[in-house]
Amino acid sequence: GQQVMQIPQYQHVQEGEDFTTYCNSSTTLSNIQWYKQRPGGHPVFLIQLVKSGEVKKQKRLTFQFGEAKKNSSLHITATQTTDVGTYFCAGPQNQGGKLIFGQGTELSVKP
Amino acid sequence: DTGVSQDPRHKITKRGQNVTFRCDPISEHNRLYWYRQTLGQGPEFLTYFQNEAQLEKSRLLSDRFSAERPKGSFSTLEIQRTEQGDSAMYLCASSWLNQPQHFGDGTRLSIL
Repeated sequence: GQQVMQIPQYQHVQEGEDFTTYCNSSTTLSNIQWYKQRPGGHPVFLIQLVKSGEVKKQKRLTFQFGEAKKNSSLHITATQTTDVGTYFCAGPQNQGGKLIFGQGTELSVKP
Repeated sequence: DTGVSQDPRHKITKRGQNVTFRCDPISEHNRLYWYRQTLGQGPEFLTYFQNEAQLEKSRLLSDRFSAERPKGSFSTLEIQRTEQGDSAMYLCASSWLNQPQHFGDGTRLSIL
């Protein structure tokens, strides 16, 4: 079945350093979505990418969707302690909107 | 928009007991999803509804699990004869068709 893999599983950075997480799907995706889950919280939608090669920015966060629509990345510039949490990518399996999530990348930021 | 509401937040039960969770989606959303999440993993799809129709169930979902959405509004997820392996966070999400999903805070189930 369809699989979504994320690396790394954990990332520990000093505040102010950059952070990147990578997402790869075993199948071509119609779109890729990114969610953030704070410790003890629930996944919160960040962004959706639809077009091949698409790049979107949200302040210090940059999201990319690969040309083949099978991989994606999230880059955070100059991390802050408020960035702490687990970042998940997710792709829909079919038109029903069922999402297949990656394992997530847990980010910790040392002040 | 009061968000997705789940009840209870925590449930502790003995192995073999039945449990039922409730999810109230965002009112204008027609799709409702159930996911299960264990420590260090991403949410795993269980089932989803569009209005009152259950359109898909995960093949991983055993016969002990059943979900309903009788009037196309709130949904319940029941687990019969709970087992240790059922311990997890059960997340509900809702959306309008294929729009991004909004998650509730989840119900954390612990099996003694």
